[in-house]
Amino acid sequence: NAGVTQTPKFRVLKTGQSMTLLCAQDMNHEYMYWYRQDPGMGLRLIHYSVGEGTTAKGEVPDGYNVSRLKKQNFLLGLESAAPSQTSVYFCASSYSVGGGQVGEQFFGPGTRLTVL
Amino acid sequence: AQSVTQPDIHITVSEGASLELRCNYSYGATPYLFWYVQSPGQGLQLLLKYFSGDTLVQGIKGFEAEFKRSQSSFNLRKPSVHWSDAAEYFCAVGPPNFGNEKLTFGTGTRLTIIP
Repeated sequence: NAGVTQTPKFRVLKTGQSMTLLCAQDMNHEYMYWYRQDPGMGLRLIHYSVGEGTTAKGEVPDGYNVSRLKKQNFLLGLESAAPSQTSVYFCASSYSVGGGQVGEQFFGPGTRLTVL
Repeated sequence: AQSVTQPDIHITVSEGASLELRCNYSYGATPYLFWYVQSPGQGLQLLLKYFSGDTLVQGIKGFEAEFKRSQSSFNLRKPSVHWSDAAEYFCAVGPPNFGNEKLTFGTGTRLTIIP
């Protein structure tokens, strides 16, 4: 049981390049999330998904797109990278406990992205 | 809007000493409350959570936290720290059905352990 995995672990991009970060979970969780972590700012939610085929915007969605074509995967795309997107990106997943309530989030190890 | 405050950016504690990390939240109702720990270069690991019931919550690695509604606080404690506890600690809050809303994190407290 690998939990939440992220690919790649590190990446360096030039301004204007594009890339996709992959998140995979093997816990059959319904909910998945993408966060970015910047010094002194905690974690901020970029986009999230409440089920296969659904996505929604979080706190800082601009410059990012996501897709959830399969329940176990959640992709984060940067179409035209900017230096302001230099950050550590974390994926998380969570599960339904019934009654519309959701359990705790499980986090992946992170992807460190540098945009030059 | 919900918010989380961790007033201590950095705390240094001697090995074997007790620890308390502060967390205050702002939310219209009783939220779900969490403490996560992040070791350098790693993802976040859940230490403990409060959903309802007993306000003193036990977690992993000997940590506990107490929910105090009157103070809007959820402070993390450990009676005797170990060198391996050096990490960054994040408090987080979310509404009871936060699958459709964001989980709000504090800005973190970095814990340093000295011999």
